[in-house]
Amino acid sequence: KQEVTQIPAALSVPEGENLVLNCSFTDSAIYNLQWFRQDPGKGLTSLLLIQSSQREQTSGRLNASLDKSSGRSTLYIAASQPGDSATYLCAVNTGGFKTIFGAGTRLFVKA
Amino acid sequence: EAGVTQSPTHLIKTRGQQATLRCSPISGHTSVYWYQQALGLGLQFLLWYDEGEERNRGNFPPRFSGRQFPNYSSELNVNALELEDSALYLCASSFTAASRNEKLFFGSGTQLSVL
Repeated sequence: KQEVTQIPAALSVPEGENLVLNCSFTDSAIYNLQWFRQDPGKGLTSLLLIQSSQREQTSGRLNASLDKSSGRSTLYIAASQPGDSATYLCAVNTGGFKTIFGAGTRLFVKA
Repeated sequence: EAGVTQSPTHLIKTRGQQATLRCSPISGHTSVYWYQQALGLGLQFLLWYDEGEERNRGNFPPRFSGRQFPNYSSELNVNALELEDSALYLCASSFTAASRNEKLFFGSGTQLSVL
């Protein structure tokens, strides 16, 4: 059974700091891994999707990496801003409907 | 292009009543997924519809049901509401279910409160 774990559960950093969010999964047989952002009481916004054959994806200040063999992904946020404050979720797609979500990392960027 | 739309935004019901939540996927998307996000908990998979058929359901009782219409929009029905059904219900859509490069696109959710 696929399990997705995100560490840390919460993180508070000063504005401008670079940071890394971690995601681990137990079964390496995945189709892709997707990182989402969720603001309080809102839906999820897709940030990056990494296919199983890829090692990383970049979008602006965000960079996501994938190491399938070790069951790990990281989301790197450069030069953090207060507007980055949100909960970040990683989700592993094991095929079809089977997208398994982590519990998320709640990020707070202090101005 | 419109994203995934959900209605209503908020819904207040009393215990024992029925709730109906609606979702319109992105144009061209045939797969619709429903998730429940209770306060402090992660997203729990509820139902998956594709091409008008229920393809799979998560570990929820039968009083959670739904359907997908010919235009691929979807409806989630929750019967005999219980207090613990209070949660944010999120709908997502994808172009197909099988591709390795399929992104999930989420709506803003329906906040259901059961009093």
